Amino acid sequence: GESVGLHLPTLSVQEGDNSIINCAYSNSASDYFIWYKQESGKGPQFIIDIRSNMDKRQGQRVTVLLNKTVKHLSLQIAATQPGDSAVYFCAEIPRGSARQLTFGSGTQLTVLP
Amino acid sequence: KAGVTQTPRYLIKTRGQQVTLSCSPISGHRSVSWYQQTPGQGLQFLFEYFSETQRNKGNFPGRFSGRQFSNSRSEMNVSTLELGDSALYLCASSLATSTNEKLFFGSGTQLSVL
Repeated sequence: GESVGLHLPTLSVQEGDNSIINCAYSNSASDYFIWYKQESGKGPQFIIDIRSNMDKRQGQRVTVLLNKTVKHLSLQIAATQPGDSAVYFCAEIPRGSARQLTFGSGTQLTVLP
Repeated sequence: KAGVTQTPRYLIKTRGQQVTLSCSPISGHRSVSWYQQTPGQGLQFLFEYFSETQRNKGNFPGRFSGRQFSNSRSEMNVSTLELGDSALYLCASSLATSTNEKLFFGSGTQLSVL
């Protein structure tokens, strides 16, 4: 049968605008969440993480928000730059599962000049 | 500090063959995990090794195996290759001093099965 690939959500933003990438996670027992960025031909690169006892964490130009009630995670990128163009994945680690990440399907971010 | 190194970068095999992929973690990192990335299934956990012992295993058939050496370097092996094994195989390492910890990924080995 025909193989169907994952349909990656896409987000296009103008350079300099803010980007918001959303992720719904599956396991209510997850207590650690990570955002990764993957550029073409490279492995995932750590961006920012957050533990379940927090609802917001800020890094350099990035902010992660966690809403445990609806099992939703978002990544906000301020003043998006061309180098931010990549696929962004959220990942969760359920409590007690050590370093076994469960990844979301990813979002393709394209920054327009 | 050198990052996670995976070799080879690209590999072409035919159905029925076996393949061994290699991963050198960041110096001082003791945990090595392997993931498979395909367009159809996304990123999926294969297994994790720590101190030469497999600590965790994902939902993959027994054709997928791995090991870790005393210097923390790891290899994964896939026997009796199938077309569906074509994927990017990613290795990640971490210090493993706490349960939840940053994983650092290599650039992967792109395996094509013909």
